[in-house]
Amino acid sequence: SQELEQSPQSLIVQEGKNLTINCTSSKTLYGLYWYKQKYGEGLIFLMMLQKGGEEKSHEKITAKLDEKKQQSSLHITASQPSHAGIYLCGADPNAGNMLTFGGGTRLMVKP
Amino acid sequence: ETGVTQSPTHLIKTRGQQVTLRCSSQSGHNTVSWYQQALGQGPQFIFQYYREEENGRGNFPPRFSGLQFPNYSSELNVNALELDDSALYLCASNRGGHNTDTQYFGPGTRLTVL
Repeated sequence: SQELEQSPQSLIVQEGKNLTINCTSSKTLYGLYWYKQKYGEGLIFLMMLQKGGEEKSHEKITAKLDEKKQQSSLHITASQPSHAGIYLCGADPNAGNMLTFGGGTRLMVKP
Repeated sequence: ETGVTQSPTHLIKTRGQQVTLRCSSQSGHNTVSWYQQALGQGPQFIFQYYREEENGRGNFPPRFSGLQFPNYSSELNVNALELDDSALYLCASNRGGHNTDTQYFGPGTRLTVL
């Protein structure tokens, strides 16, 4: 079975700083999703990556899927308090929308 | 707003009881998946329903069961509740037949088992 490991597990940054969250898979990734979750709430879809080398951006958040398709990174530029929450990467090992998730990265942004 | 709603928001049960959680999918989405998220962990896939049939199942015992109805609503039933069933239960919907279609999640139901 596919396992996803996220690093770091938690992160505290000063407002305005850049940060990167990594998601490493035990197997080749076919479809990698990034979601954001506010504590105790549902998941908000951020981006989906499919092709090795693919990079997508939404506002100040950029996600990449590496060429070998076993790692993805999520980069936030000039962080704001509104970026705080839990970031989750999810893989779709059987291309059936039955997602396997990493353990999450808890981000706090200090004003 | 994802268009996916869940009820109730919170629920407290005692060990051994049975519980039913409800989800209303986004209009036009005929696939619904349920996930369990324990405190401090990522969501774990429970099962998926497509056109009212179970389409896939994760590593959960048979006391976790589900139903999907033609009106885009679905249920998750858990029998013989155990303390470890305490978690946030999330449903997610997407269009069926599209392998790369994005899943949209509801706000979740927080279940506490005492």
